[in-house]
Amino acid sequence: DTGVSQDPRHKITKRGQNVTFRCDPISEHNRLYWYRQTLGQGPEFLTYFQNEAQLEKSRLLSDRFSAERPKGSFSTLEIQRTEQGDSAMYLCASAKGATNEKLFFGSGTQLSVL
Amino acid sequence: DQQVKQNSPSLSVQEGRISILNCDYTNSMFDYFLWYKKYPAEGPTFLISISSIKDKNEDGRFTVFLNKSAKHLSLHIVPSQPGDSAVYFCAASDTGTASKLTFGTGTRLQVTL
Repeated sequence: DTGVSQDPRHKITKRGQNVTFRCDPISEHNRLYWYRQTLGQGPEFLTYFQNEAQLEKSRLLSDRFSAERPKGSFSTLEIQRTEQGDSAMYLCASAKGATNEKLFFGSGTQLSVL
Repeated sequence: DQQVKQNSPSLSVQEGRISILNCDYTNSMFDYFLWYKKYPAEGPTFLISISSIKDKNEDGRFTVFLNKSAKHLSLHIVPSQPGDSAVYFCAASDTGTASKLTFGTGTRLQVTL
């Protein structure tokens, strides 16, 4: 069990640039989640994949955000035309089974938009 | 619309004493509850969970209590240790939402010597 891996750990970008984050879940986990956490808040749900299918997206996920999980393995989260309000910790989590299984989180990608 | 609330942003407890962290929720559809612990610059780590069919679950020094009528749960840590110092998040899910967790804002626990 190598855990959930996220890359990069930190990203600094200028407003208006595009950024892409990668998440490698635990190998046998079929479910993958993206969350966003800002200072003083708990993680907020962004989107969820079961295998390669994106089954749910939060209202928080504007048109500038897109996530993929090709072949049901790793996932990418892209933010286009970044804004200062996008600055946050982006967390990936994975889980196996159907429901009520605990989520395993990665260490996150800290995004700073200047 | 904060569906999961942790009203105490911080808590300080002496080593060896009991730490009690509280959490309230408003969504009556929630039927599975979890506590996560988070250290700085790391992702949340699962600590303990409880299903709505139970009112108590224990795992070593950690016990979670659930009061469904009051929509309230609490995490007890006995005895508290300095390594327990971290931010604790309460989370809840509705079985029908494939374990999409709704988190509280967290309580920072400081265990002092």
